[in-house]
Amino acid sequence: ATQMTQSPSSLSASVGDRVTITCRASQGIRNDLGWYQQKPGKAPKLLIYAASTLQSGVPSRFSGSGSGTDFTLTISSLQPEDFATYYCLQDDNYPLTFGGGTKVAIK
Amino acid sequence: EVQLVESGGGLVQPGGSLRLSCTASGITLSDHYIDWVRQAPEKGLEWIGRSRNQARKYSTEYAASVKGRFTISRDDSENSVYLQMNSLKDDDTAVYYCTRDQGVRGSTAFDLWGQGTLVTVSS
Repeated sequence: ATQMTQSPSSLSASVGDRVTITCRASQGIRNDLGWYQQKPGKAPKLLIYAASTLQSGVPSRFSGSGSGTDFTLTISSLQPEDFATYYCLQDDNYPLTFGGGTKVAIK
Repeated sequence: EVQLVESGGGLVQPGGSLRLSCTASGITLSDHYIDWVRQAPEKGLEWIGRSRNQARKYSTEYAASVKGRFTISRDDSENSVYLQMNSLKDDDTAVYYCTRDQGVRGSTAFDLWGQGTLVTVSS
């Protein structure tokens, strides 16, 4: 199975900060990667798919990049509603696998 | 309103069985890949299985952790997908979500999620 290593596991940031989260795959997965946001007690929400395609309705401050084994989710200017946990998901091969998550907290 | 609603969670003893339902409104599930994802308490997300759409003959994939114990099935007349869980273990305790893959250009994109249903395996 493809292992997805997400870093950092947590971070503290302020409103307006630029935040970067990375995911590294244990083998090449082309651009078959998505990013999800989850708030406590809620279902995940799709942000990005195919590594860099912004889901309809998601603010443009979110962006994704990467291919092969290294991927990045960037929030250009953190907003209060962005404090949440973020997960990457590879869909290149079965089983689909999530990263361990990155909790973004208020500094 | 387009939505997925899970039901069927609850408390079950180790070794027992439970069937979860995922019922849709506003969409026809037979047109879509439907996956199940779970989240153990205070843990991350774990993909557990997929049912492809009718065009792909509802073929399935499973994670190793549930293969042979869990089965995904469908009932088009009920516009529902089911997760039959047998031989349940303590570490199957989790919130279970069903989710729709919007399937854009061959990429997986889980754009629609149910609210989740809690399964607790305990004696």
